[in-house]
Amino acid sequence: KAGVTQTPRYLIKTRGQQVTLSCSPISGHRSVSWYQQTPGQGLQFLFEYFSETQRNKGNFPGRFSGRQFSNSRSEMNVSTLELGDSALYLCASRGSHYEQYFGPGTRLTVT
Amino acid sequence: DAKTTQPNSMESNEEEPVHLPCNHSTISGTDYIHWYRQLPSQGPEYVIHGLTSNVNNRMASLAIAEDRKSSTLILHRATLRDAAVYYCILRAGYTDKLIFGTGTRLQVFP
Repeated sequence: KAGVTQTPRYLIKTRGQQVTLSCSPISGHRSVSWYQQTPGQGLQFLFEYFSETQRNKGNFPGRFSGRQFSNSRSEMNVSTLELGDSALYLCASRGSHYEQYFGPGTRLTVT
Repeated sequence: DAKTTQPNSMESNEEEPVHLPCNHSTISGTDYIHWYRQLPSQGPEYVIHGLTSNVNNRMASLAIAEDRKSSTLILHRATLRDAAVYYCILRAGYTDKLIFGTGTRLQVFP
């Protein structure tokens, strides 16, 4: 099976812009979660989706949003980008034994 | 969210066993103990998880204390490829949400 894929892998945006990141889970996985990783804060939970429904949300401002489609693919959106949003954004899909498989991440740089 | 405490760093020599400890004194009855590791420039990788009983898989073993307030990840023979940050995480039974701490950076020397 192919692993979790994330696109794009690298992105450079300017403050104030918005960005959409995409995640394709492993085939058959219906649960997708998103995480932000920064050197200062480490890995932080953003959202969890299951069958197109957001089941959990982390402590992030409303500028961070996400959605999941009927084919389990997920997107996250960050509006009005700030310098502090520069991070590695990781997506994970959950297997049948509650193990999570992480993608390689999207490296977002905000200038 | 229940918290875990791990040493910041540990060292091992290649082909020696490694015991990575984790304290989770506020664990609740429905919290699962998960371990993930993150190699440089990669996303986290699932290692093992358990609820009450000790668990073994091809990567490692997980020893859970009887009172569940601590656990130990055991790598039976460390290799250079095991050098990574190891995260001990408590996952509530009703969610996929993982709360990562700062983890233990494992160095493996040849």
